[in-house]
Amino acid sequence: DADVTQTPRNRITKTGKRIMLECSQTKGHDRMYWYRQDPGLGLRLIYYSFDVKDINKGEISDGYSVSRQAQAKFSLSLESAIPNQTALYFCATSVVRGGRSDTQYFGPGTRLTVL
Amino acid sequence: AQSVTQLDSHVSVSEGTPVLLRCNYSSSYSPSLFWYVQHPNKGLQLLLKYTSAATLVKGINGFEAEFKKSETSFHLTKPSAHMSDAAEYFCVVSPNNDMRFGAGTRLTVKP
Repeated sequence: DADVTQTPRNRITKTGKRIMLECSQTKGHDRMYWYRQDPGLGLRLIYYSFDVKDINKGEISDGYSVSRQAQAKFSLSLESAIPNQTALYFCATSVVRGGRSDTQYFGPGTRLTVL
Repeated sequence: AQSVTQLDSHVSVSEGTPVLLRCNYSSSYSPSLFWYVQHPNKGLQLLLKYTSAATLVKGINGFEAEFKKSETSFHLTKPSAHMSDAAEYFCVVSPNNDMRFGAGTRLTVKP
């Protein structure tokens, strides 16, 4: 969905390097998410944010940090990358209905390789 | 705790035959349930969702799913597979504001 963009689309880095993945959205949604996808494991939630001042850890937040710079921007950082963080990373946004997160809209993904 | 189990990691069907992708969930709350599809080298796209209205939910591209509370299931079906249906499918449970994905089912469609 072109309304959710991720940069870079591909990145190769070395162990110990700091990496930032960026996500921008034009959908006007308050809620944003970062997931990683590994073969056979589906998508696992890293962090999520319900608004600029509300950031929450997901299922696998260790080794990651996030920044919600504005409603439209949500960045994921790996302070010191390690090889098992090699994965496909997705950003998503969602609407809220009845106080709950509803349909999510995903970016195209960032393929990260840590050597 | 909430979780979702996709019972088949891979399903193979012939074009024109029915598709059944199975999903069971566990949730402490009355959940919202979703099916997403991921085509190769693409992001995820919503197929359909259940949010406590009708238990039979119709989605895009002829897919539908039935919410069965007694069986804690939300299986995805399509009467007749098309080659373009070949993709990975994810069942998702959202009991509150968290989202939990199943491991995915890869659908192969043979000519």
